[in-house]
Amino acid sequence: GAVVSQHPSWVICKSGTSVKIECRSLDFQATTMFWYRQFPKQSLMLMATSNEGSKATYEQGVEKDKFLINHASLTLSTLTVTSAHPEDSSFYICSAAGQAFYEAFFGQGTRLTVV
Amino acid sequence: QKEVEQDPGPLSVPEGAIVSLNCTYSNSAFQYFMWYRQYSRKGPELLMYTYSSGNKEDGRFTAQVDKSSKYISLFIRDSQPSDSATYLCAMSMQSGNTPLVFGKGTRLSVIA
Repeated sequence: GAVVSQHPSWVICKSGTSVKIECRSLDFQATTMFWYRQFPKQSLMLMATSNEGSKATYEQGVEKDKFLINHASLTLSTLTVTSAHPEDSSFYICSAAGQAFYEAFFGQGTRLTVV
Repeated sequence: QKEVEQDPGPLSVPEGAIVSLNCTYSNSAFQYFMWYRQYSRKGPELLMYTYSSGNKEDGRFTAQVDKSSKYISLFIRDSQPSDSATYLCAMSMQSGNTPLVFGKGTRLSVIA
């Protein structure tokens, strides 16, 4: 299967700072990328869907000004958590889908801890 | 009612047992059904992918979809300690470029 690389795998930041998470498709062009959030013992919840070159579509209840998503190229999408607070601490996972595949491939996830 | 229901467990079985994991769903528009395995602090990895109703087998894993009952299952034969993980069902209305709706995940422990 195709490879999706997510970086960093974990990050600790101070409350009020911003954190950027990168999601790269290493060997295919990702026309669509999805960002999910997973709280402990909970399911993956879709935050937003982004298509290359256009604005992301956010799920209800997800603040687009807080969770900035950029999908500037076919191999890279970024999620920036702005003015992070402890309640933003979670496991963030991206997945990428390309035209050549019937499935989307997941990154390794990023564990964000806001202190 | 949530779109996808999955018993979170935990489920503990002895090595060699047959494991049965299940999900129910409410949206009849779902056409694609998947099972993912997720190890702690890792991203999910795809185990099985099924389109519409029917069975699919891959080694020790068998996936079943019953669209009339809105019920999907994953069976693991001859379970191994390395199968210990959280198993998530997921489904979507279209393939690839459509976001998945996940179950909560079932935590499985296979005891040697």
